[in-house]
Amino acid sequence: GESVGLHLPTLSVQEGDNSIINCAYSNSASDYFIWYKQESGKGPQFIIDIRSNMDKRQGQRVTVLLNKTVKHLSLQIAATQPGDSAVYFCAENIRTALIFGKGTTLSVSS
Amino acid sequence: DTEVTQTPKHLVMGMTNKKSLKCEQHMGHRAMYWYKQKAKKPPELMFVYSYEKLSINESVPSRFSPECPNSSLLNLHLHALQPEDSALYLCASSQDRAAGELFFGEGSRLTVL
Repeated sequence: GESVGLHLPTLSVQEGDNSIINCAYSNSASDYFIWYKQESGKGPQFIIDIRSNMDKRQGQRVTVLLNKTVKHLSLQIAATQPGDSAVYFCAENIRTALIFGKGTTLSVSS
Repeated sequence: DTEVTQTPKHLVMGMTNKKSLKCEQHMGHRAMYWYKQKAKKPPELMFVYSYEKLSINESVPSRFSPECPNSSLLNLHLHALQPEDSALYLCASSQDRAAGELFFGEGSRLTVL
């Protein structure tokens, strides 16, 4: 079965709001996590990553939080824009291969 | 050049056909991957090549046959597929197997009739 999953299949927000997308993982040995964005008809695009020796990492408008105690990962998108509408996947590095979770569809309305 | 190029973008084949999907990268990456993605599902790992050698086969049926002719190319040979094999096939590469970030191509959308 999948060791990485997302709590909500869909998330709808207004333009300008902050978005939070969550992911739970079950493999406590996982040491590396990535968030990908996939737009319709395209391949997944890297957003941000984090290693297990960190609990927070920031990028441009995005922040990833890692809580190893409860095996939880989240992606925060600040000032969400219509161009952020896509499916977001968290992925976990197991046996040096990336395994994807279920995905959350983010819809941004203006 | 930071692209992974996949051809063809679309492929329709019958269950008795033999076809191939091709993937190319010129980033000097030494690990390459095939993933299968069904509609509204996450990508599922099929194969991993590391330094041109097959290192992971996720129990994929033998009707899918990967090939890595050199460090820049990855093929997926298809033979006697079933309609349920219709999906988006994604190729990816990374600097090596231990490097996390995978760079994905746009995928080849396969329809099996």
